[in-house]
Amino acid sequence: NAGVTQTPKFQVLKTGQSMTLQCAQDMNHEYMSWYRQDPGMGLRLIHYSVGAGITDQGEVPNGYNVSRSTTEDFPLRLLSAAPSQTSVYFCASKRQGPYNEQFFGPGTRLTVL
Amino acid sequence: AQKVTQAQTEISVVEKEDVTLDCVYETRDTTYYLFWYKQPPSGELVFLIRRNSFDEQNEISGRYSWNFQKSTSSFNFTITASQVVDSAVYFCALSEAEETSGSRLTFGEGTQLTVNP
Repeated sequence: NAGVTQTPKFQVLKTGQSMTLQCAQDMNHEYMSWYRQDPGMGLRLIHYSVGAGITDQGEVPNGYNVSRSTTEDFPLRLLSAAPSQTSVYFCASKRQGPYNEQFFGPGTRLTVL
Repeated sequence: AQKVTQAQTEISVVEKEDVTLDCVYETRDTTYYLFWYKQPPSGELVFLIRRNSFDEQNEISGRYSWNFQKSTSSFNFTITASQVVDSAVYFCALSEAEETSGSRLTFGEGTQLTVNP
């Protein structure tokens, strides 16, 4: 199993550009999430999905869109990039059930100029 | 609202010292889950342990041990005889028990542990 994969690993955008961060998992996990990591703030939840076709907002959803058309994929779209979105983005997946741990992807480091 | 506080931003120790990383949490739920993750310099997040709110038994895994105390809302992590390879950022996290919320994790700010040779 590849686990959770994310592409790209690094990305530089100009303010106003749009892009999609890709996330895929091959563990047939129902739950998938996107977090951003900023210095001194831990990881904060952006959006999450409890199954294909179902998404919801997390703590910091503004400026981001998600969709979940398949169990495996959960892309994160930046509509109009802003410098405040410079961060490291982690995708995670887990089996249904609150006791199960989240498996994280390797992360995408995004810089918005 | 849930909150996790890791008051120690950075800790520096010399190899073989014992070190404790503090984690204090807030929640109104009676059922919840606590986790510790490690983030080494390579950047990935590695799951270390989980604990549910009904199990206050302490746990030991090799040089790692965890002390969960509901009375003080704390879930502290101790590394015994620290090694240079333990250098990493450590995150404590709290999960809701509500299934429809996707069991979202609320993370603490993280503690940067540096173990010097």
